[in-house]
Amino acid sequence: SAVISQKPSRDICQRGTSLTIQCQVDSQVTMMFWYRQQPGQSLTLIATANQGSEATYESGFVIDKFPISRPNLTFSTLTVSNMSPEDSSIYLCSVQKDRGETDTQYFGPGTRLTVL
Amino acid sequence: ILNVEQSPQSLHVQEGDSTNFTCSFPSSNFYALHWYRWETAKSPEALFVMTLNGDEKKKGRISATLNTKEGYSYLYIKGSQPEDSATYLCAFPNFGNEKLTFGTGTRLTIIP
Repeated sequence: SAVISQKPSRDICQRGTSLTIQCQVDSQVTMMFWYRQQPGQSLTLIATANQGSEATYESGFVIDKFPISRPNLTFSTLTVSNMSPEDSSIYLCSVQKDRGETDTQYFGPGTRLTVL
Repeated sequence: ILNVEQSPQSLHVQEGDSTNFTCSFPSSNFYALHWYRWETAKSPEALFVMTLNGDEKKKGRISATLNTKEGYSYLYIKGSQPEDSATYLCAFPNFGNEKLTFGTGTRLTIIP
């Protein structure tokens, strides 16, 4: 398994500002992902964080809105830029030690964001 | 876009009773199915990764079965306890890679 921490655990932000969320893993992992859960919705993948290169974004998500960094194999950040109330969600990072669809993904505790 | 559905959306069960709920997924191009339990204010916890048709996995009082031909998986909880209250999520890998498409979950509440 992997132990994952996220900071902050929650925040209340004003419209138009940006928030950076940090994800730290206790061991080196191959894959890191960022998800969000909007109220009443399922967990949705935002992007795959690639170490040393640009993140791979899913349809509907763009780098200008959700810039992601991954400087090494244990750390990643997600920024939610120019926030609006629609960005109010739980944001989670997840990790997978190796590639493959049968490997377990482990999740952080999430960052609960409220945008006023 | 993959369609992963879970039912029921929510469930209230008396403590001590057994219960089950369903995850349905595309039956073509099956690679794996993941089950998670997500308690409020905690990390989603991985329960099972199901890979073979007819698979049955067990973890304590929780078990899961898999039917890849008809595209569904059942999660069973035997003798429900208050600590089982959580949202149970299933997830399906997209097109043979690591990206997961999640269902909307079944929110289980155990009534003491």
